[in-house]
Amino acid sequence: AQTVTQSQPEMSVQEAETVTLSCTYDTSESDYYLFWYKQPPSRQMILVIRQEAYKQQNATENRFSVNFQKAAKSFSLKISDSQLGDAAMYFCAYRSSQGGSEKLVFGKGTKLTVNP
Amino acid sequence: DVKVTQSSRYLVKRTGEKVFLECVQDMDHENMFWYRQDPGLGLRLIYFSYDVKMKEKGDIPEGYSVSREKKERFSLILESASTNQTSMYLCASSLSVAGGMFFGSGTQLSVL
Repeated sequence: AQTVTQSQPEMSVQEAETVTLSCTYDTSESDYYLFWYKQPPSRQMILVIRQEAYKQQNATENRFSVNFQKAAKSFSLKISDSQLGDAAMYFCAYRSSQGGSEKLVFGKGTKLTVNP
Repeated sequence: DVKVTQSSRYLVKRTGEKVFLECVQDMDHENMFWYRQDPGLGLRLIYFSYDVKMKEKGDIPEGYSVSREKKERFSLILESASTNQTSMYLCASSLSVAGGMFFGSGTQLSVL
């Protein structure tokens, strides 16, 4: 079974600085999808960024980018120019590409605090 | 925009009560999911469904059942609520493997 590990239960960053959240995963599959979700205090889970394993190019969405290292099974999230609204729980998630396996497997989350 | 609606934001129930958590999505998604979220444990999958009347157990199905009579609605049932089922429950839906999941805003259930 696939597992996702987020080794940093909590992180903090100064406003306007850059922070990187770590995620590693374990799988025997060669094709899969990786996601980062954000959960602010409102509890609404929001998709931040998605990466297809067959793509070597790292995904980018505005201030959010990933460092995808397939051989190392690592999928870190970089937040540039951090803003107060970035404060939230961040969850890394894995999804198999095989049909019938549409579920997401989540890490335990990293709580990000943004200091003014 | 996809909308996933959970019927209650907060619920307080007594031990032994039968509890229904309702979830409705408006985008004709095939797949629907129930997760449980606990501090320090992340999100754990309880049950999912990939079609009407179809269901699959997730990682922690014990003490729960589900019902999917219509495509847009997926219900989570606690047959006899216990205090260890106090948690945040999140419903989600998705269309395909490649797409992300869309989540409801959660139901915080307290079992006293």
